[in-house]
Amino acid sequence: ETGVTQSPTHLIKTRGQQVTLRCSSQSGHNTVSWYQQALGQGPQFIFQYYREEENGRGNFPPRFSGLQFPNYSSELNVNALELDDSALYLCASSPQGADEQYFGPGTRLTVT
Amino acid sequence: AQTVTQSQPEMSVQEAETVTLSCTYDTSENNYYLFWYKQPPSRQMILVIRQEAYKQQNATENRFSVNFQKAAKSFSLKISDSQLGDTAMYFCAFRPGGTSYGKLTFGQGTILTVHP
Repeated sequence: ETGVTQSPTHLIKTRGQQVTLRCSSQSGHNTVSWYQQALGQGPQFIFQYYREEENGRGNFPPRFSGLQFPNYSSELNVNALELDDSALYLCASSPQGADEQYFGPGTRLTVT
Repeated sequence: AQTVTQSQPEMSVQEAETVTLSCTYDTSENNYYLFWYKQPPSRQMILVIRQEAYKQQNATENRFSVNFQKAAKSFSLKISDSQLGDTAMYFCAFRPGGTSYGKLTFGQGTILTVHP
């Protein structure tokens, strides 16, 4: 167990809809990153938040957005869902100054 | 941009034997970190071992050890005395150093199956 939780576990949405995925980190973990993992592939970096500000972004369009809250929770929002957005979404958090990231169990999103 | 390559899509090993998973990477950075993560069928990604690029000594964690060849940009994982619980997808990952921007770049993964 890494102490990082995500909700929901599974989610089914229709193309064009919007979705919000949630992540709760351990106390003191002020950095959170989100990754998209397509089936059978390695995770791809979406973005990272540090002290509630976006601190880096991967090659994802603006319809992927996020928030980080003072209570060490965070959200990933995806607008105008496309079929290719179907994937496992992972959040990972790090305490101040740490090199490694601790992953949550992920949310499996299916877009139909 | 960094790239990480795992050239073995699948590997299998008998219980109690040793197996080595390969990883190569490409970067122009001099300061960075390398990781091996394990993702069992339950899908929670677990850190197995980490290596700082500035350290010449290879990292070891119990049955897990790495062979880090900085000049060759190679970072292989050796699992000794394999156990059934080692069955999982293994990912090699790269992270630049010297910044709080902790983007991990992952390889494609290697599915490891340990047979009884």
